[in-house]
Formats: sequence, structure tokens, C-alpha cells
Amino acid sequence: AQSVTQPDIHITVSEGASLELRCNYSYGATPYLFWYVQSPGQGLQLLLKYFSGDTLVQGIKGFEAEFKRSQSSFNLRKPSVHWSDAAEYFCAVGIYLGASKLTFGTGTRLQVTL
Amino acid sequence: SAVISQKPSRDICQRGTSLTIQCQVDSQVTMMFWYRQQPGQSLTLIATANQGSEATYESGFVIDKFPISRPNLTFSTLTVSNMSPEDSSIYLCSVVDVGHNEQFFGPGTRLTVL
Repeated sequence: AQSVTQPDIHITVSEGASLELRCNYSYGATPYLFWYVQSPGQGLQLLLKYFSGDTLVQGIKGFEAEFKRSQSSFNLRKPSVHWSDAAEYFCAVGIYLGASKLTFGTGTRLQVTL
Repeated sequence: SAVISQKPSRDICQRGTSLTIQCQVDSQVTMMFWYRQQPGQSLTLIATANQGSEATYESGFVIDKFPISRPNLTFSTLTVSNMSPEDSSIYLCSVVDVGHNEQFFGPGTRLTVL
């Protein structure tokens, strides 16, 4: 069965600093990988996704993620964090038709200091 | 992207009672899912809501506790039966845009069981 690990439960960065959120997955075949963001009291919003092709994918809000098969990782990055980026970030892996039956990581809560 | 609404947005219920959560999508979708997010936890898939047939439940979830209906391609309900405080969670429905391999989530229903 597939699984997702997000090693960092809580990260604090200063506004304007760079950000990297880690995600490791376990899946026997080529995974379909996603990053979602959940702001307080909000639903989940898709930031970006990877299925195949270029291993560096660009998403919304200035986020990007890099798929590294050799490391089973799909880390999320942003060069300069804004205070509005404070939220919970979830990495997820999907199988069957790409986006179905997602398995989520435990999430990383991002706090941004001014 | 699909626009998903859920009713109610939140509720406080007494133990032993049942609550039915509605999920409405603004377009016809083939795949619809129900997830649970327990306090401070990640999302866990409860079941796949199948149109015109019985839902498919994940390990640890049973129909008697979480009956699901899917009468058409735009609507589904999840009932949380015989509730206990352990059922206090956010319940989210989601739909899959197969063409874009994306999964969209509703805003969630925050349930508190006293």
C-alpha cells in the first residue's frame, strides 16, 4: 500500500525567507503526487501536481516542487514566503486514474513570522 | 474547476444521534469521495460514493456507521450514525476531474459530538 511521510510537523520561517517542505512517499509504481494547502477554516486547495515529464513542477502562489525518484521525494519549495502562506500543507499520493483515492501525509503546519 | 458545497458547515450533536451531511457539485462528476479529518490529523478516506450502487468503504469504515447515498452525478450524502465524541472531525467530500487528473475538495463539515 502507498504511504506518505511528512517529517516536519511544524515549521517557522521569517517572511521573505525561503521555504522547503519535505515529503517522502512509498509506492511501487510511478506515483501521482500532489501538494495541497489548507488555511484555517478553509477547505483544501491544490497547489501543484506531478504525473510525469519534467520533474520540477510549478504551481500556484509561487510554489514549486521537485520529484526525485531516487529519493522517493516530492519536496515543496518557495523562494520567498509571505505572511499569507501560513497554513497547513499536505502532500498526497494518488493511484488509479491519477487523482483518485488519495493517501495524505500527516501535514506540516507553517508559521510565518514578520 | 468544480464548485463543491457542503451542508451543514458545522454542527454540534449529542452522542447517540445521527447527522447527514450533504455534498453538492455544480457539474456532473463520475468519482466522488468522502474523507474524515480528525482534530490535528491528516485526511483519511472513508469511502468512494458510487452513483447508482453501494459505496465502497476503506478498511476501518463500515456502512452501518457511515451510510452513503449517491442518487445522481452531482449529489451525495454521508450519514454519521450513532455518534460518539470520537466522531468529532471535519468531514470533506471531494470530486475528481478525470480530464485534468485533479481532485477538488468541498469546504468541509465540522462536527462536534458532545
